[in-house]
Amino acid sequence: EPEVTQTPSHQVTQMGQEVILRCVPISNHLYFYWYRQILGQKVEFLVSFYNNEISEKSEIFDDQFSVERPDGSNFTLKIRSTKLEDSAMYFCASSGQGSYGYTFGSGTRLTVV
Amino acid sequence: EDQVTQSPEALRLQEGESSSLNCSYTVSGLRGLFWYRQDPGKGPEFLFTLYSAGEEKEKERLKATLTKKESFLHITAPKPEDSATYLCAVQAPRNTDKLIFGTGTRLQVFP
Repeated sequence: EPEVTQTPSHQVTQMGQEVILRCVPISNHLYFYWYRQILGQKVEFLVSFYNNEISEKSEIFDDQFSVERPDGSNFTLKIRSTKLEDSAMYFCASSGQGSYGYTFGSGTRLTVV
Repeated sequence: EDQVTQSPEALRLQEGESSSLNCSYTVSGLRGLFWYRQDPGKGPEFLFTLYSAGEEKEKERLKATLTKKESFLHITAPKPEDSATYLCAVQAPRNTDKLIFGTGTRLQVFP
């Protein structure tokens, strides 16, 4: 069964450092998303991406965040200057044309120290 | 404001003891309601999408139903491997793709 692959599975970084979280969506999917889940809290929407541009973003997704699809397979989330409160699980997801059944990756646990 | 509330927060069942999880929602124009299963340290795993009141879907021991205000996930004769957190999410009007999640129900099934 096709999978969304995320790397790394766990990243520890110092406050103020830049991090890039990587995702390989399902190959024929067109819509890409990032969500995050702070420990013990809800899964929260960050951003959606379609046709090489952001289609929607949440209030959380401020100027410190950016997304990119640098080639035909990868989808990345960059946090420019990490804060302690950015510590969370970050999930990438993708969906196909006309499909509302998102497929999520296993997540990257980001720990900011 | 669009909102999703799940109950109970946690549920402990004996193997074979059937039960239901509830998801109440308040959205302006529901496009779809989703159920996911989440194992510890993993991403949500898609179970069902429901689109309109009265719709039902089944998969093995799970059955999801939808009304205009809530959805139920019925678990029939659960097994220990059904232990997980079950998440409900809604997708609201046409101009958004985002999912709004509830906090989930943590299910434990013991032998």
